[in-house]
Amino acid sequence: QVQLQESGPGLVKPSETLSLTCTVSGGSFNNFYWAWIRQPPGKGLEYIGYIYYTGSTNSNPSLKSRVTLSVDTSKNQFSLRLRSVTAADTAIYYCARFVYYSFGYWGQGILVTVSS
Amino acid sequence: QTVVTQEPSFSVSPGGTVTLTCGLSSGSVSTTSYPSWYQQTPGQAPRTLIYNTTTRSSGVPDRFSGSILGNKAALTITGAQSDDDCDYYCVLYMGNGIYDFGKGTKVTVL
Repeated sequence: QVQLQESGPGLVKPSETLSLTCTVSGGSFNNFYWAWIRQPPGKGLEYIGYIYYTGSTNSNPSLKSRVTLSVDTSKNQFSLRLRSVTAADTAIYYCARFVYYSFGYWGQGILVTVSS
Repeated sequence: QTVVTQEPSFSVSPGGTVTLTCGLSSGSVSTTSYPSWYQQTPGQAPRTLIYNTTTRSSGVPDRFSGSILGNKAALTITGAQSDDDCDYYCVLYMGNGIYDFGKGTKVTVL
């Protein structure tokens, strides 16, 4: 059974960079796409982007200028960096396996709060 | 800008049938929108129900089914149970590598 686990700081200051990592276990990492999705408290879901195990990426145009996605196949991990954060970036961040135009296995999510 | 539309809420009786839809503010949804559906209970991560319009994800009961109805994607719950009382989201492929979630439908079973 594929499992995903998000990790990273739960609190980030405004204007700084949010950095999260997702660790994949229990299944193949290579030959798959891996995605990030977020959900502000009490609100709906928002697609952030996905990365192929080779490093090619796709991002939501509304976030693209601030997003960097990376992958470390030796550790079965992929990462998200979101620059210049504001309170509007406060959300639960989920990682997921992206397959056939959809989000399959999901991590449990990690709440990141942007506050000074 | 075209956005994905979903009904804000729906109510269904236990054992009843409800059909949720996922449309576009401009244009039609088709199989090339690759609609997928997700179920989310409070405090939990979403769970994939349907992908590629009609394919049920592993372990999903067959009371959940996906289709295209007219110019929208649809998720039908047949024989609703109390566990189905939660939020449902759809995702559409908008083209040019863009994916967009609907705002979700709150389903109440009572």
